[in-house]
Amino acid sequence: DVKVTQSSRYLVKRTGEKVFLECVQDMDHENMFWYRQDPGLGLRLIYFSYDVKMKEKGDIPEGYSVSREKKERFSLILESASTNQTSMYLCASSGLAVQETQYFGPGTRLLVL
Amino acid sequence: QKEVEQNSGPLSVPEGAIASLNCTYSDRVSQSFFWYRQYSGKSPELIMSIYSNGDKEDGRFTAQLNKASQYVSLLIRDSQPSDSATYLCAGGYNNNDMRFGAGTRLTVKP
Repeated sequence: DVKVTQSSRYLVKRTGEKVFLECVQDMDHENMFWYRQDPGLGLRLIYFSYDVKMKEKGDIPEGYSVSREKKERFSLILESASTNQTSMYLCASSGLAVQETQYFGPGTRLLVL
Repeated sequence: QKEVEQNSGPLSVPEGAIASLNCTYSDRVSQSFFWYRQYSGKSPELIMSIYSNGDKEDGRFTAQLNKASQYVSLLIRDSQPSDSATYLCAGGYNNNDMRFGAGTRLTVKP
């Protein structure tokens, strides 16, 4: 079974804090993704990575950065958290074949006060 | 125009009925499509993928793809209360990623 894990299920941070969200997959997938999900807006792609040290901006990269130093691990970084970054964050991974199924982690619900 | 659009619902059907979920997509979305189910508080899980024009059946679920109309749908036959969830349509975009619709919330009433 594909397994995608995320470092925290719930996080509470204060405005201005630096926040790290970590995602690990055990299927040797090349592609990894970070989304945020908000009511009425669906899943929006923040960043994705198709290889170690490679990254591509998604639709809403502002205020976020990412890091992929190892194939199995993809980190999302909020350099200075703001209240409008309160959301559910979902990590996903997929294989190299064009548009393979994405497998999702359990999500991290982040509250920024 | 968004790459993938869903009728936002919510949709309510009685137990045993057919639930029909619909999705349209733009020219920028390529020809692979996915339906995910997401229970409240959980992450999305894949139900079906479809790549070719026509119907694809898996148990009570049927995905339909009409490339000429840029339309993809999911039919759930004999709907059960356990099918109550949000259903997300997704389409391949560029080479490596997907775009998701906003989701349709389905409620199946006993």
